[in-house]
Amino acid sequence: DAKTTQPPSMDCAEGRAANLPCNHSTISGNEYVYWYRQIHSQGPQYIIHGLKNNETNEMASLIITEDRKSSTLILPHATLRDTAVYYCIVRVANTGNQFYFGTGTSLTVIP
Amino acid sequence: GAVVSQHPSWVICKSGTSVKIECRSLDFQATTMFWYRQFPKQSLMLMATSNEGSKATYEQGVEKDKFLINHASLTLSTLTVTSAHPEDSSFYICSARDSGFQGEQYFGPGTRLTVT
Repeated sequence: DAKTTQPPSMDCAEGRAANLPCNHSTISGNEYVYWYRQIHSQGPQYIIHGLKNNETNEMASLIITEDRKSSTLILPHATLRDTAVYYCIVRVANTGNQFYFGTGTSLTVIP
Repeated sequence: GAVVSQHPSWVICKSGTSVKIECRSLDFQATTMFWYRQFPKQSLMLMATSNEGSKATYEQGVEKDKFLINHASLTLSTLTVTSAHPEDSSFYICSARDSGFQGEQYFGPGTRLTVT
């Protein structure tokens, strides 16, 4: 699986959009971009995933660049409960392969 | 959505004893489950892949005789930490792959192990 690079930490004001970047310059054509988050002392929570088109669900939006070498997770209106470590992972989907987690981005939402 | 449970959620044991952690898929069948370990302020590290009815595959550096994995049914995998020592204190997390729906994986809530 391709390696990802994320900033170690970010702050965001409550109610504002949180934009979390991820670089995955060695991504392969059949690898998806997954985003998970982990709130302190809990298991990872699935957020969203995509291949090449932008994706949106009730939690977030995922913007993938045309060359697929980077992506951005957008939390449109951050709340205090969004404070967590966010992991960007690239992986071939539906293969049952394990996830290899990087160091992630620690997002702190500030009141 | 699919639910994965772990039991216990936390456990404290004495050095030298063994501890068993269960991982269950509650509403789906999982032929494959994964076990991760997470030390404070660090990321999740994959320990092993557990396949129903066969031996687990361990990541490099993980002692298979110390971390015994059993995946006897399609909904249950267990991790036994044998002869636990304080350095085994960690947060253990499992994930289960849905054998049916698109093969996606779902994570459990984790088990906090403290060895005194």
